[in-house]
Amino acid sequence: DAGVIQSPRHEVTEMGQEVTLRCKPISGHDYLFWYRQTMMRGLELLIYFNNNVPIDDSGMPEDRFSAKMPNASFSTLKIQPSEPRDSAVYFCASMRGTGDGEQFFGPGTRLTVL
Amino acid sequence: SQKIEQNSEALNIQEGKTATLTCNYTNYSPAYLQWYRQDPGRGPVFLLLIRENEKEKRKERLKVTFDTTLKQSLFHITASQPADSATYLCALDISQKVTFGTGTKLQVIP
Repeated sequence: DAGVIQSPRHEVTEMGQEVTLRCKPISGHDYLFWYRQTMMRGLELLIYFNNNVPIDDSGMPEDRFSAKMPNASFSTLKIQPSEPRDSAVYFCASMRGTGDGEQFFGPGTRLTVL
Repeated sequence: SQKIEQNSEALNIQEGKTATLTCNYTNYSPAYLQWYRQDPGRGPVFLLLIRENEKEKRKERLKVTFDTTLKQSLFHITASQPADSATYLCALDISQKVTFGTGTKLQVIP
């Protein structure tokens, strides 16, 4: 398996623009997580899905953020409108439903909002 | 809410020595605790998991302990090598919601 795939790897946009980050989890994994990492706040859980259903979105900072998982092999995280404080590295991770809780992380998307 | 503290932002040790990293948490004990390694520009990589009823777990040169009384986990790397230089994150799972510490950046000096 290729592991968790994220695109794009880098995104530079201007304030006010819509940004869409994409994730393909590992096949057969039941859980998908979106994280944001910054120097100040570390790695923060934004939202996670189980079998394509959002379970906990309490980490989503505000209504400008939304996430979807239309099927088991694809998820998106959208920011609209984007703001400079959204600049961070966004990680997607997936996990088997049964097992030891090991999360497999993608390479991340580095977002810069000017 | 649960808070996680990792002992220091950075730790420098000499090659061949044992590195010891600390993870402390507040409030209630998690079902399990994990340690991850993160290299610059990459996502975290899972290393070890230890459950609340386990005292110690080993994997090659790695050893993790879990003391629910002290609310602390220790992560040891024996015979450290420059290739062990990375940031190490501890993570606690409570009700399937994982919270990560801010990490300790380990530098192993040749």
